[in-house]
Amino acid sequence: DAGVTQSPTHLIKTRGQQVTLRCSPKSGHDTVSWYQQALGQGPQFIFQYYEEEERQRGNFPDRFSGHQFPNYSSELNVNALWLGDSALYLCASSLLAPGDTQYFGPGTRLTVL
Amino acid sequence: DAKTTQPPSMDCAEGRAANLPCNHSTISGNEYVYWYRQIHSQGPQYIIHGLKNNETNEMASLIITEDRKSSTLILPHATLRDTAVYYCIVRGELLYSSASKIIFGSGTRLSIRP
Repeated sequence: DAGVTQSPTHLIKTRGQQVTLRCSPKSGHDTVSWYQQALGQGPQFIFQYYEEEERQRGNFPDRFSGHQFPNYSSELNVNALWLGDSALYLCASSLLAPGDTQYFGPGTRLTVL
Repeated sequence: DAKTTQPPSMDCAEGRAANLPCNHSTISGNEYVYWYRQIHSQGPQYIIHGLKNNETNEMASLIITEDRKSSTLILPHATLRDTAVYYCIVRGELLYSSASKIIFGSGTRLSIRP
């Protein structure tokens, strides 16, 4: 049973560029959440997708957008990258049910130069 | 803001039990206590969660006080591979609400010494 997978593993971009990160949820899961983790800090919630819609959003600007596909996989898009976007981006999947447990992927390390 | 307070760091001898404390004095009746850990540069790994009863699985035990204002994660026989940042999290079960997202604090950095 495959767990949560993310691609790519590492990515280097320059300021002003756009980036797309991908996530495949754990088998049987229908909800995907995205988190940003800056160096030395705990992960920060970006947004959550269910039934191809954004259901919740954290305190992140509109430059951060996402999408969920019919097969429950998801993408995170970040436009107009700046140095502060350098971080580990984590995807977590779960079942949308009371007491759901979120399982995290290995993350994508984004470096903005 | 995170609803939990944890010591920033702890250490434990290999083979001994590691006891990680967590305070969550403002926890509500329908909120669960979750524990995750994160080994350097990897995604957080789910360990265990509970509501009010003590819980045990193959990884750890979770002891929640009767008033639910604090809890302890116990790793019964710590190994070097248990070196990680451990996060104690309180979250509710409400769907489509801010309660269901995970709010991470700073966690406890656990070091296991040989």
